[in-house]
Amino acid sequence: DAGVIQSPRHEVTEMGQEVTLRCKPISGHNSLFWYRQTMMRGLELLIYFNNNVPIDDSGMPEDRFSAKMPNASFSTLKIQPSEPRDSAVYFCASTEGGIDEQYFGPGTRLTVT
Amino acid sequence: GEDVEQSLFLSVREGDSSVINCTYTDSSSTYLYWYKQEPGAGLQLLTYIFSNMDMKQDQRLTVLLNKKDKHLSLRIADTQTGDSAIYFCAETPPDDKIIFGKGTRLHILP
Repeated sequence: DAGVIQSPRHEVTEMGQEVTLRCKPISGHNSLFWYRQTMMRGLELLIYFNNNVPIDDSGMPEDRFSAKMPNASFSTLKIQPSEPRDSAVYFCASTEGGIDEQYFGPGTRLTVT
Repeated sequence: GEDVEQSLFLSVREGDSSVINCTYTDSSSTYLYWYKQEPGAGLQLLTYIFSNMDMKQDQRLTVLLNKKDKHLSLRIADTQTGDSAIYFCAETPPDDKIIFGKGTRLHILP
């Protein structure tokens, strides 16, 4: 199994542009999580899905952030418009269900200038 | 407190033992985890302990849990250069979310 796949690995964009981060969870896993990691705030849970349905998006910072999971093998996290304070590493993780071991992707390092 | 607390940095000489400490928030948390993050990579589950245990040993790793004080520790025996990483403590309160600490960066001295 290739593990959780995220793309792109690095993204540099200008303020105001739309950014789309992609995640492919491990096959058979039915829960998917999006996290943001910064030095100041550590690892923050943004949103998680169970069976493709968003369960808790209370960690999404504001309306500029949106996430979708159109099917069991793909999820996107979109930021529109992006701002410099969105610069962080964004991780996707998946589990077979609930609080089981989370498998993390390699992350997408986003830099907004 | 509201946050899972960890010290941010730890330096240890190669061959010595490393002890990374964590204070968690919810005495009802069922599982407590240690994740390892190597440079440029995602987090990887290192070990976990169920809340009804007070110790777990797995090769060079020893996890100690003090439920009364809500204190978790990870001991790495015979620390090697490959142990250099960020170590995250995490808990799972009854609402099923997982809460991570900010991570402890372990630096190995030659």
